[in-house]
Amino acid sequence: RKEVEQDPGPFNVPEGATVAFNCTYSNSASQSFFWYRQDCRKEPKLLMSVYSSGNEDGRFTAQLNRASQYISLLIRDSKLSDSATYLCVVNGAGAGGTSYGKLTFGQGTILTVHP
Amino acid sequence: DAMVIQNPRYQVTQFGKPVTLSCSQTLNHNVMYWYQQKSSQAPKLLFHYYDKDFNNEADTPDNFQSRRPNTSFCFLDIRSPGLGDAAMYLCATRGEASTDTQYFGPGTRLTVL
Repeated sequence: RKEVEQDPGPFNVPEGATVAFNCTYSNSASQSFFWYRQDCRKEPKLLMSVYSSGNEDGRFTAQLNRASQYISLLIRDSKLSDSATYLCVVNGAGAGGTSYGKLTFGQGTILTVHP
Repeated sequence: DAMVIQNPRYQVTQFGKPVTLSCSQTLNHNVMYWYQQKSSQAPKLLFHYYDKDFNNEADTPDNFQSRRPNTSFCFLDIRSPGLGDAAMYLCATRGEASTDTQYFGPGTRLTVL
């Protein structure tokens, strides 16, 4: 089982649509959770951190369910500029109980928003 | 304004010819990471430094080495690049807390001929 698994995608949606991405992680000791966005041939950029209480940033809402080890990202009113690969990222505990901030990435979900 | 800088942005090397990629940061972060990202795959951690302490991932080939002469700079050395090493190499930095955000550089795209 992969440490971080995401919806296979790709998602192809019209402008204005609402789209949801799901992600599960296997390490219950994971400490923090993120959604990164990666444009074609560019570096990953932090979209938002994910908290148990849920958090919202404009059109983007992220949720974390620690009991189910499940993370989600909701994008409302999709824009053409939202087209990118969305990476679910988990910051896990290190070996021997240490924590050095090792990020484990999901394989990414490609989103294409069309006119 | 660039906080994590990678040079060169594009590197072409020949099969077996050593190559060095560089990363510098203006954030004064004590943790620096090197990731390898192949086409259509997720970034994969190769190793990281916590200050001067080097931490290698178990599955990182010996062909990959790293140096960190000071806080600001970190180098990735590929001793004998193979065709399978063609990838984007991403440098990232992080502050003191393990939950701090990692900041990525723009990456170096390596082509092996």
